Amino acid sequence: RKEVEQDPGPFNVPEGATVAFNCTYSNSASQSFFWYRQDCRKEPKLLMSVYSSGNEDGRFTAQLNRASQYISLLIRDSKLSDSATYLCVVNLGLGAGGGNKLTFGTGTQLKVEL
Amino acid sequence: EAGVAQSPRYKIIEKRQSVAFWCNPISGHATLYWYQQILGQGPKLLIQFQNNGVVDDSQLPKDRFSAERLKGVDSTLKIQPAKLEDSAVYLCASSFGLAVLYEQYFGPGTRLTVT
Repeated sequence: RKEVEQDPGPFNVPEGATVAFNCTYSNSASQSFFWYRQDCRKEPKLLMSVYSSGNEDGRFTAQLNRASQYISLLIRDSKLSDSATYLCVVNLGLGAGGGNKLTFGTGTQLKVEL
Repeated sequence: EAGVAQSPRYKIIEKRQSVAFWCNPISGHATLYWYQQILGQGPKLLIQFQNNGVVDDSQLPKDRFSAERLKGVDSTLKIQPAKLEDSAVYLCASSFGLAVLYEQYFGPGTRLTVT
């Protein structure tokens, strides 16, 4: 089983649509969770951290379910500029001897169309 | 503030040749990472440094890959000899420290093609 699993997509949605991405992770000792965005042929950039209480940043909402080991990202009112690959990322943290090691999923590709 | 710098941006070599990549982290960042991203996959951590010491190199293929950060600032990653399956983007990242609260910032990467 992969450490972090995502549906690779692509998700093709019209502008203005709401789209949701899901991710599962295998290591219950994981401490921190993130969504990164990666544009074509560019480096990954942090989109947002994910907390158990859920967190929102504008049109983006992230949610963590530790019991199910499940992470989600919701994008409302999609824009053309949201087209990118969204990477689910898990960090074991120092306590598990993982340093600040990020484990990435394969990414989910989003294409927002006119 | 200047970001993470990497060079070269692109490299094409034949299998069994050697190649080296260079990374200059954000000023003041003690922690440096090298990731390998194969097409269609997420980045995979190869090695992690804290200052000039190795924190984690468990996923580094040590028979052919080596990395160093001698003065605790710049770092080089070397592949010798290269294989076809080493074709990937090699990303360098840095963070202020080891704690998970410190964001990792990625450089633009070096795209390696092995023919």
